[in-house]
Amino acid sequence: DTEVTQTPKHLVMGMTNKKSLKCEQHMGHRAMYWYKQKAKKPPELMFVYSYEKLSINESVPSRFSPECPNSSLLNLHLHALQPEDSALYLCASSLNSLGGETQYFGPGTRLLVL
Amino acid sequence: ILNVEQSPQSLHVQEGDSTNFTCSFPSSNFYALHWYRWETAKSPEALFVMTLNGDEKKKGRISATLNTKEGYSYLYIKGSQPEDSATYLCACLDNAGNMLTFGGGTRLMVKP
Repeated sequence: DTEVTQTPKHLVMGMTNKKSLKCEQHMGHRAMYWYKQKAKKPPELMFVYSYEKLSINESVPSRFSPECPNSSLLNLHLHALQPEDSALYLCASSLNSLGGETQYFGPGTRLLVL
Repeated sequence: ILNVEQSPQSLHVQEGDSTNFTCSFPSSNFYALHWYRWETAKSPEALFVMTLNGDEKKKGRISATLNTKEGYSYLYIKGSQPEDSATYLCACLDNAGNMLTFGGGTRLMVKP
């Protein structure tokens, strides 16, 4: 199984809502990532978890809160988002967090903040 | 954060044409370069991970080369097919950390 799954596929939320994005992999990977991708721009790294510990937080606003309950799951909790946070949120995983490892991506959650 | 650039931004070719595009990156502190293929509404799919200067990798009709001294990688597609239509992303990692920096992608459209 070389699949990374993400739910939901699409999400529309208001600025006062609280929602969560979910990501799951069963490849035994110990590194998991959240990326944000705006239209016509490259994916930008938000967070890296390595062995269930947050190892990189790329100056992401606190309205985005990641959580790694176990080695197979990665959540992104959203609260008080702004319209400019509308984007495609991609999850990825790799065997470990060394740069020579292939990252396997999920299909993304397309988020619209109204 | 690295400056990773891809050219061209978009490319239209006829079925059967061979094509290539470029990823350029800072040559100092280079660690690894990744190529991904991203079809609309699908997950980005890993094509190659390259680390050594002079590396050449091949997957079917797609191949890539790496020059770490001058800071570029080429991706080649031989005999393009409509199903090759996708955005091709490169991403670079330097030896300072484990953060991939993506280029802007090359959007390839192959006309039947």
